[in-house]
This record gives sequence, C-alpha cells and structure tokens, in this order.
Amino acid sequence: DGGITQSPKYLFRKEGQNVTLSCEQNLNHDAMYWYRQDPGQGLRLIYYSQIVNDFQKGDIAEGYSVSREKKESFPLTVTSAQKNPTAFYLCASMASGGRRETGELFFGEGSRLTVL
Amino acid sequence: AQSVAQPEDQVNVAEGNPLTVKCTYSVSGNPYLFWYVQYPNRGLQFLLKYITGDNLVKGSYGFEAEFNKSQTSFHLKKPSALVSDSALYFCAVRDINWGNTGFQKLVFGTGTRLLVSP
Repeated sequence: DGGITQSPKYLFRKEGQNVTLSCEQNLNHDAMYWYRQDPGQGLRLIYYSQIVNDFQKGDIAEGYSVSREKKESFPLTVTSAQKNPTAFYLCASMASGGRRETGELFFGEGSRLTVL
Repeated sequence: AQSVAQPEDQVNVAEGNPLTVKCTYSVSGNPYLFWYVQYPNRGLQFLLKYITGDNLVKGSYGFEAEFNKSQTSFHLKKPSALVSDSALYFCAVRDINWGNTGFQKLVFGTGTRLLVSP
C-alpha cells in the first residue's frame, strides 16, 4: 500500500543534541512538507519542498534543517538551535503542490520528540 | 493571508445525536476548504474537501460539511454521532499565493476536540 512512513515514532534527546526525523513516501508525490504540532496551536509549517534538490522555509524554520536528495525522502533535522523542540512532528505530501493541484495532503503517522 | 478559525476548543455530544464542528474562513478568491481528523498520537486523515459546486459535501465515515459563502463558514456535520468519532478535528484552507511561487500549502485551524459520550 502507498503511504508515508515516519520514523522513529518516539524519540528522546538531551539538550544540545541534533536529531534527524525520517520521512519516506512511495506515493510518487512531488511536494513534501514538515509540520509541527503543539497543543492548542494547530499545525505550523516548518519546511516544504516542491521538487528534488529544492526546498523552502516555512513559517517556523529557525532551528531546523532539511534535505531533498531523493523524491521519496525528506528528512528533518532538529538542531540544538531550536529553543523548544519538544513537539509532535508530521510529514505530509501532495501530488504536485502546484496551482492545478486540489490540495489534498497525505500525512504520515508522526514522530513525537521529547527533549529531556 | 488565508486563514481559518475554529471557535470551539471542544465539542461534547451524546452518542446518536447530531454533531456540528464549526469552522470559518478568511480568503481572497475562491476557497478550497478541507476537514481532517486526528486520533491520539496518529497522523491526520482526510475527511472531505470543498472545491466548487454543491454546497453540501459528503466525505468519509458519514461526515459531511456545508459551505456557506455569505457566512464564510464550512461547518462539519454528522447526523448521528458515534463514540468512535471522538478525536481532534482540523479545518484547513489552501493558500496558493504564498510566496508568489504558485506553490501551495494548507493553513490549518487550531483544532476542535470532539468528545462523544455513550
């Protein structure tokens, strides 16, 4: 079955450590997104990518980095510069992300990061 | 900027009763509107969307939503609630002018927790 796989499901890290969250999709989608979810704040966009080797900052990109070396993969690194990294992170994809796209996002199951 | 508002943090309803989860939007141009559901520690699942056409949109699991242009609303409804409908519901709107690139994202509301009691 096609879908989006995020790993790990749960992750603990110490302050000052970088951590990388994996996101892999086999939907053959061009566009991929990373959202952060905090209680009462909905989903906020961290980074997005419309095509391989290209990505753009979202609304809350500070302290995060991404890469898009393959169409299927869009890993997110939470760096030590992120002041409050404890959150639920969601990866999503869309067929093309362009103007003709009707906009349905497909989500992974999420990764919960806790900083100790 | 495109935005949606979900005025209720939580909605409580008894099983078998009709339910409504409210959403209002603010957009320039024609809105593309979505509803998603999230169960605990899971990703979001698509329920339904409004692009154009009939103002009453039918979606998954018996849910439907009514688009009202004059009231700028897109409320989620279900005629008879189930305990298993208890979850977090998000309204979202497409933002296609973001960054002037023609690339689009979804802007989400803050979510409404639905609690259906037996």
